[in-house]
Order: sequence, then structure tokens, then C-alpha cells
Amino acid sequence: AAGVIQSPRHLIKEKRETATLKCYPIPRHDTVYWYQQGPGQDPQFLISFYEKMQSDKGSIPDRFSAQQFSDYHSELNMSSLELGDSALYFCASSLSRAGYNEQFFGPGTRLTVL
Amino acid sequence: AQTVTQSQPEMSVQEAETVTLSCTYDTSESDYYLFWYKQPPSRQMILVIRQEAYKQQNATENRFSVNFQKAAKSFSLKISDSQLGDAAMYFCGEGSQGNLIFGKGTKLSVKP
Repeated sequence: AAGVIQSPRHLIKEKRETATLKCYPIPRHDTVYWYQQGPGQDPQFLISFYEKMQSDKGSIPDRFSAQQFSDYHSELNMSSLELGDSALYFCASSLSRAGYNEQFFGPGTRLTVL
Repeated sequence: AQTVTQSQPEMSVQEAETVTLSCTYDTSESDYYLFWYKQPPSRQMILVIRQEAYKQQNATENRFSVNFQKAAKSFSLKISDSQLGDAAMYFCGEGSQGNLIFGKGTKLSVKP
């Protein structure tokens, strides 16, 4: 079965640089979620999209922005990177944004900021 | 605001034995669901089991079962016949508005 695809899997950036993370949801899934997991931490919700519109916002810094495109893939743009942005970034997708629908997680993108 | 608490940072179990991981939650929502995700060393998030709050019957998935006490806002996970492959970080969580709220996690070790 098709799974959530995230690219790149690993990314190394310098402070103050920008990064773009991509997420390709499971086919027919219309909802995408982004989570950030710092070292030794639980995943923290950043932002979500339903039918290409932002549906909910969590603890996402103003330096980050995201969008969902017409083909339902999503991109998380991160600017002015800081050392504290080093984390594992998960994308998850679900069929509609109803809370009872299972969220399927991608393998994550490991971002290292030097 | 929703909160999820896992009071056991680490647990250990002997292979083939049974272990129970604790979780409590707090939510103002009337319609919500609870879940346990497993995160092995690969860091992949894998759904173990899920429970809709309106269902009184405890969910089970093979060797995994939950004890859902709605009034006490408790949602523990029982792993029976533990296997080496069960060693992982386990996150309890709650979902009601779409996004998921996780606890801090319990690291489970399985001894051969």
C-alpha cells in the first residue's frame, strides 16, 4: 500500500539559511498535518491543511510557512534557521480532517542546523 | 486545552511477559478519540491502537489492548506476550480537532 512520502529524508543547513520540506500524502487523502519532534521530545503539532486551505495552526514559528498544493502535496518552508530548529519533521495525512480518521505518518525529514 | 500525561518515562518487561503502560488525559471535548503510537529506533510513527471515546468496549489489536476508564480519564495500554520487537518509545495521545496531542512518551525495553 502507498504510504506518505517525505523528501528529503535528511537535510543539513547552516544558521540563517532556508529549508523546504516536502510531503506527498497517501492518494485520496485530502488532509495533511506537520509535526516537529525535537531530540528526546514528543511530536508537536505545527500546522494542518484540508482541501488546500489551512485548517489549524499549532506552535509554528512565524519564520515557518506552509501550503498545500492542487495535487494535495504540501511544503513546509523554514527561513532564518536557528540551531533549535534541528529536529525530526513529520508529515501525516488522513482522509478528511475528522478527528476519528487515522493519521498516517511519513518517515520524517531529519533537519540538522549547524 | 487538551493535555496528555504519561507518568512512566521508562518501563522494562521480560520477553513473553505482560506489561501495562499508563496514560491519563484531560479534554473539554465531548467527542474525541485516544490512541497509542509506537516509535521504534527507526523513528517511524506506527499506530498501535485507537479508541473512540463514545465506545464503551475496550479496543484490542492482537497482543495489544487498552483499559479505557472514561470517568477517570485514563487510557492504559497492555502488551501481552511481549516480544523483542516491541521495544520502542510509546506515545499516548488524544485527537478531537484533527491534530494530535501526545504525551511525553514511555520507553519500553524488552529483556530476552
